[in-house]
Amino acid sequence: NAGVTQTPKFQVLKTGQSMTLQCAQDMNHEYMSWYRQDPGMGLRLIHYSVGAGITDQGEVPNGYNVSRSTTEDFPLRLLSAAPSQTSVYFCASSYSGTPYGYTFGSGTRLTVV
Amino acid sequence: GESVGLHLPTLSVQEGDNSIINCAYSNSASDYFIWYKQESGKGPQFIIDIRSNMDKRQGQRVTVLLNKTVKHLSLQIAATQPGDSAVYFCAERGTSYDKVIFGPGTSLSVIP
Repeated sequence: NAGVTQTPKFQVLKTGQSMTLQCAQDMNHEYMSWYRQDPGMGLRLIHYSVGAGITDQGEVPNGYNVSRSTTEDFPLRLLSAAPSQTSVYFCASSYSGTPYGYTFGSGTRLTVV
Repeated sequence: GESVGLHLPTLSVQEGDNSIINCAYSNSASDYFIWYKQESGKGPQFIIDIRSNMDKRQGQRVTVLLNKTVKHLSLQIAATQPGDSAVYFCAERGTSYDKVIFGPGTSLSVIP
């Protein structure tokens, strides 16, 4: 099925651990982004990419790293997990400059203890 | 800076009534606005969009109104149905062409 696939769906980390949240899309979208959603709040942009090899920071980039080596994949790395990074993480993709065409993944629920 | 906020965190409406969800934005340079619907446990889904050179746009049962003078937009849902129960977000594309910034969301509950 075409769409955005995020793995894992759930994850518990200890403070200080590192991990990578995976995001893959098969729609040949140039644009991919990562958002985090905290309870009762909207989505905040972490990092985004307008194409392979190009990434840029969003609103809340600290503590996260991204790379875009292929059009399909856009992994998000937590370098040293902190409790403040407990959140639900969404990956989204679209043709560049077309937010109406955003396709979101189903999310990764991360808890840092 | 760029920020988008909503006036009401929760809204309850009777089935069949019309719903109005409001949104305030602060960046007068934003050129494009989008409404998303998020059902429990799912990612947001696009509902309708509007460009800054328009003040109204209609879709199927939904209408978005944009008032640039007071930096306000609203989403109107006609004949609200139980399936409309969800959290609704407005979002804006700000000074960076590819950055889309979301507001905090309004939870809509439809009473049967």
